[in-house]
Amino acid sequence: GEDVEQSLFLSVREGDSSVINCTYTDSSSTYLYWYKQEPGAGLQLLTYIFSNMDMKQDQRLTVLLNKKDKHLSLRIADTQTGDSAIYFCAESRFTGKLIFGQGTTLQVKP
Amino acid sequence: KAGVTQTPRYLIKTRGQQVTLSCSPISGHRSVSWYQQTPGQGLQFLFEYFSETQRNKGNFPGRFSGRQFSNSRSEMNVSTLELGDSALYLCASSLTTENYGYTFGSGTRLTVV
Repeated sequence: GEDVEQSLFLSVREGDSSVINCTYTDSSSTYLYWYKQEPGAGLQLLTYIFSNMDMKQDQRLTVLLNKKDKHLSLRIADTQTGDSAIYFCAESRFTGKLIFGQGTTLQVKP
Repeated sequence: KAGVTQTPRYLIKTRGQQVTLSCSPISGHRSVSWYQQTPGQGLQFLFEYFSETQRNKGNFPGRFSGRQFSNSRSEMNVSTLELGDSALYLCASSLTTENYGYTFGSGTRLTVV
């Protein structure tokens, strides 16, 4: 089936690390993505990971993939107030179709 | 390099009318996908076009249609609008249909009254 699940809300203090989690059901997923959406805006691609990788790091962002448990996480180091947004996890196969989670609202308190 | 451009940004239509939304992909991108975003249903895939051919379609009624032109620009059309069609419609483009780096536009906010 096609299902991607995320927790709905996360609150952290500025300077702390944030970890946003996601689970998916389709073991044939090829790519997994993290997108960020700010109010009134479209989706900004933050990072993606191919399904044969288990980790990817890009500056303050670290993506961990546990393919056995179908679990994906996004860690944001040194979280800033500008990181406040909705974060979407998405998965795909070679179909041109992305399946999105419901989105996690990240609130960063000063 | 210009991003994905969607026009118009905002639109208000009356029930029963039809609407056409436009998407200009990043130059050189040949794949264009459309998504509907609502508070209740989240982000749902509408369809995907590659080289003027519809490659994949989501679970939407036939009132929702689209097309892609030879310059990769895409349009989507919704006929006989219903109140439930009120949503943010997002377009995304990519070089190919291989799934890495889909770039989204800012969307068209459609309100049906």
